[in-house]
Amino acid sequence: EAGVTQFPSHSVIEKGQTVTLRCDPISGHDNLYWYRRVMGKEIKFLLHFVKESKQDESGMPNNRFLAERTGGTYSTLKVQPAELEDSGVYFCASSQEMVETQYFGPGTRLLVL
Amino acid sequence: DQQVKQNSPSLSVQEGRISILNCDYTNSMFDYFLWYKKYPAEGPTFLISISSIKDKNEDGRFTVFLNKSAKHLSLHIVPSQPGDSAVYFCAASPFGNEKLTFGTGTRLTIIP
Repeated sequence: EAGVTQFPSHSVIEKGQTVTLRCDPISGHDNLYWYRRVMGKEIKFLLHFVKESKQDESGMPNNRFLAERTGGTYSTLKVQPAELEDSGVYFCASSQEMVETQYFGPGTRLLVL
Repeated sequence: DQQVKQNSPSLSVQEGRISILNCDYTNSMFDYFLWYKKYPAEGPTFLISISSIKDKNEDGRFTVFLNKSAKHLSLHIVPSQPGDSAVYFCAASPFGNEKLTFGTGTRLTIIP
């Protein structure tokens, strides 16, 4: 069974540009989460989808971040326009039901110059 | 306002000995606690969990202890092996809410 996949693995962009991150959850997982880790700090929750609906987006930093989950399958996280403080590792996770079974992807390393 | 704290950024332990990683939390609503392990360039991997109705959960070499009155949990690894070298994250969640709140992680190094 394939795990959670994320694309790209790395992205380097300039301040003001737009970047779109993609996450493909484990097949059949209705729950999809986005988290972010800024260098050396804790992993912070961004939002949670149940199928195509946003269940909780309380962690989204501001309106420059837009997350979508088309048809309840893959998800995208767009940052527009990117700022320096958006740099970090963006993790996606998916689960069937219980909180203990969140499976994480390898992350996308975003560097905004 | 950090609700889950791991005050030791790093820990070195001799192979075969016990590794003890600590975690403190401040939010009384947290009801479910987890430990994740992370290797470089990989995502966190679930290791072990405990709910607030228990004070201990064991899985092979890994045991998690929860002290609700002190708002403290710990992960014991016995015996420690070189493959245990990784960053360990403590995480917590309120009951019925799948949003995880993580600590900053502890880098464990097992010395052969």
